[in-house]
Amino acid sequence: DAGVIQSPRHEVTEMGQEVTLRCKPISGHNSLFWYRQTMMRGLELLIYFNNNVPIDDSGMPEDRFSAKMPNASFSTLKIQPSEPRDSAVYFCASSLAQLNQPQHFGDGTRLSIL
Amino acid sequence: DQQVKQNSPSLSVQEGRISILNCDYTNSMFDYFLWYKKYPAEGPTFLISISSIKDKNEDGRFTVFLNKSAKHLSLHIVPSQPGDSAVYFCAASTGNMLTFGGGTRLMVKP
Repeated sequence: DAGVIQSPRHEVTEMGQEVTLRCKPISGHNSLFWYRQTMMRGLELLIYFNNNVPIDDSGMPEDRFSAKMPNASFSTLKIQPSEPRDSAVYFCASSLAQLNQPQHFGDGTRLSIL
Repeated sequence: DQQVKQNSPSLSVQEGRISILNCDYTNSMFDYFLWYKKYPAEGPTFLISISSIKDKNEDGRFTVFLNKSAKHLSLHIVPSQPGDSAVYFCAASTGNMLTFGGGTRLMVKP
């Protein structure tokens, strides 16, 4: 079975540019989560969707960050404009939208903003 | 305010011995707890979980213990193998949302 697929695996771009990260959840999973991992803050939840609808975006750091889920098999996390402090590893995870279901993670996108 | 804490950033164990990783939490509303293993350049992989109505869950070499009164959980790996060397994260949930600890790097020496 295919797991959660993220693209790109690595992104290097200059400050001020728009960055778009992509995620394909596991087929049949109806919850999707975006996380950011940094040395200082560890793994932190940015936003999550149930059935393509954003449920909690309280972890989104600033208005420069936005996330969409146009259908059950695709989500994007966009940063515009990007800043050096956005450099981190961004993970997408998916799960069944039921209680006590483990989340399954993609391999992440390593983002470097110069 | 860290609601989930892993106070040991690293742990070194000899192959064949037991590894014990610890995790403390502060929010009594957490009702489901998980352990994830992470290798470099990969995403966290789900390992084992436990519901708050239980105090122990076992899966092969991995056992998770939950002490609700102490707000403490631990992961036991017996026997430890070199392939277990990774970063281990504990996580706690209410509803669908997970809160992660900072991780413990386990090194199993041959």
